[in-house]
Amino acid sequence: DIQMTQSPSSLSASVGDRVSITCRASQGIRNFLAWYQQKPGKDPKLLIYAASTLQSGVPFRFSGSGSGTDFTLTINSLQPEDVATYYCLKYSTDPFTFGPGTKVDIK
Amino acid sequence: EVQLVESGGGLVQPGGSLRLSCAASGFIFSNYEMNWVRQAPGKGLEWVSYISSSGGRTIYYADSVKGRFTISRDNAKNSLFLQMNSLRAEDTAVYYCARELPIDYWGRGTLVAVSS
Repeated sequence: DIQMTQSPSSLSASVGDRVSITCRASQGIRNFLAWYQQKPGKDPKLLIYAASTLQSGVPFRFSGSGSGTDFTLTINSLQPEDVATYYCLKYSTDPFTFGPGTKVDIK
Repeated sequence: EVQLVESGGGLVQPGGSLRLSCAASGFIFSNYEMNWVRQAPGKGLEWVSYISSSGGRTIYYADSVKGRFTISRDNAKNSLFLQMNSLRAEDTAVYYCARELPIDYWGRGTLVAVSS
C-alpha cells in the first residue's frame, strides 16, 4: 500500500507569514491529492483537489503544487482564522489514505 | 444545500455490533460515490470504506476493518449504511459520512465508543 507522510507535524508562524506544508507519497500518485483544513470541533473542509485546483469559495491565499510523490500546500499571508490541522488525502487507488496531519497555530 | 446526517452511534461492548446510517439530501444521491471516514479522539482522519455510485458494485475497505464492517446504500431512501461487527476498543471514533472522491462534503459525525 502507498504510505503518506506530512511535514512538519506542527508549526507556529506569525500573522502575514507564508507557510508551507509538505505531503509525500511512497509511490507516485500522479495528481490525485487533496488538502483539507479541520478546525477544532468541526468537520474537515476541502481546500485543494487534483493537487493544485482551488475548491470554490476557498480564499486565494491557499495554493497547492506538486505531482507524483511530492506535494505542497502553501498559505500566503497566514491569517488568525487559518489556525487548524491540515491533512492531505491520496485518492488515486484503494486504499485511500490521509496524511497524519499538520497543526498550524499563530506565534 | 447538501446535507449528510449520521445516526446510530453509541456505547457498545467489545465484540458487539452497531449499524450506522447517513441520511443524504440536497443532491441526487445515486449519482455520487460515498465513504465512511473516522477520527479517534485527539487523532487524525482515517478513511474506512468506499462504495461506488448507482448500484454500488465497487466497494473498498481499510485493512483495519476488512471482514468486520460492511458498507451499503439504499438509493431509493437516499441513505448510506455501515454495519460494524466484532467491534474493538480501537474502533472508538467519530464516524463521518462523506461524499465523493476527493471528499467534498462531510456530515457532522456520530460517536462510536467501544468499552466494557
